[in-house]
Order: sequence, then C-alpha cells, then structure tokens
Amino acid sequence: NAGVTQTPKFQVLKTGQSMTLQCAQDMNHNSMYWYRQDPGMGLRLIYYSASEGTTDKGEVPNGYNVSRLNKREFSLRLESAAPSQTSVYFCASSVLQGAETQYFGPGTRLLVL
Amino acid sequence: KQEVTQIPAALSVPEGENLVLNCSFTDSAIYNLQWFRQDPGKGLTSLLLIQSSQREQTSGRLNASLDKSSGRSTLYIAASQPGDSATYLCAVRPHTGNQFYFGTGTSLTVIP
Repeated sequence: NAGVTQTPKFQVLKTGQSMTLQCAQDMNHNSMYWYRQDPGMGLRLIYYSASEGTTDKGEVPNGYNVSRLNKREFSLRLESAAPSQTSVYFCASSVLQGAETQYFGPGTRLLVL
Repeated sequence: KQEVTQIPAALSVPEGENLVLNCSFTDSAIYNLQWFRQDPGKGLTSLLLIQSSQREQTSGRLNASLDKSSGRSTLYIAASQPGDSATYLCAVRPHTGNQFYFGTGTSLTVIP
C-alpha cells in the first residue's frame, strides 16, 4: 500500500496563478482532509470530506476550493494564488471522521511569489 | 475555539534519558487526543490515540496520558535514542465540530 500520496511535492507560483493539489489514498478510508502548516501556527484545517460526495469548510477555507472526485481522491484548488498561501499543504485520511487515526501524506511545499 | 499549547518548543537531551513532552488544551470537552511525530520535510505519523474515556495509551517505549479535567496530556518517552529526534505534535478533537486542533509541536533532539 502506498498510503496517502500527494502531487506535486513542490511548486512555485506567481500571484494570481491557479493550481490544483492532488491527493489520493489506497486504504479505502471514508474521510479525507486538507491542512496547511505554517511556522508558529501549527496545522490548520482547510477543508474536509467526511465521506464520498460531501465536503465541508474547516478553519481557514478562504481562497480554496475542493473536490472529492471519488472515494480515493480529494483535490485542493487555489483559483488565484496569493503570497499568504505560501505554506506546506498536507492531505490526510481516516476510516471515520474524527474518531480514528489520521494518516498523512508527505506534503506539498508551495511558494507564491 | 480550542487552543492547544505545547511547551517547550524545543528540547535537547542526552541519549538514554527518560523525558516528558507536554500538551495543554483550553476546553476539556474533547472526543479524543492524538500524538504525532513529524520528521523534517515529512508528513505526520500517528503515535498514540487516546479516547476521552481513557486515561493512557502505551506503545513500546511511548506512554501518553490524558487528564481532561486539567486540560493536559503528556507523552513519556523512555530510554531516548537518537532516532527519536523529531518534532512531536498533539492534536485535540472537541466533542462538537469536525476538526482536530493542533499544537505547534516540540522539537526533540537526542544527543548520542
């Protein structure tokens, strides 16, 4: 099992450009999550999907959109990137929402100039 | 909103020492608490999950305790090894709402 995979590993964008971060899990988990990690701030939840077909906002959703394409895949889109979105983005999954261990991907490092 | 604090931000100990990492949270109405390990440039790996009804969990040299009434959890690492060097984060899931709240972590260095 690959676990949780994320692409790309690293990306540089200019202000105003758009991009989609991809996440996939092969553990047949129901719930998937997108976090951002910033120095001194800890991890903050952007969006989550409790099950296929549903998505909900987390703590910091502004500037992002998500798509739960199927049970395996959960993508995060930045429509118009801003320097404040420079961060490390982590995707995670769990069997059930909130009750079970979360498994994390390796992260995507995004730099917005 | 739940606030999660981890002190100290960094800790350096000689190999073989037993150590305790601290996590405190402001709202005691939690569903569960998890401890994670993060190596530089990597994702998070779950170490221990404690449900609100539990007092502690153990895995190998690791023991995590939970005291909801005081809003505290500790992660005890016995006989530390250089391979334990990493950042340790705790995360709390409240009873209401659907997200985990993370602390900023304690960066541990074990000196050979």
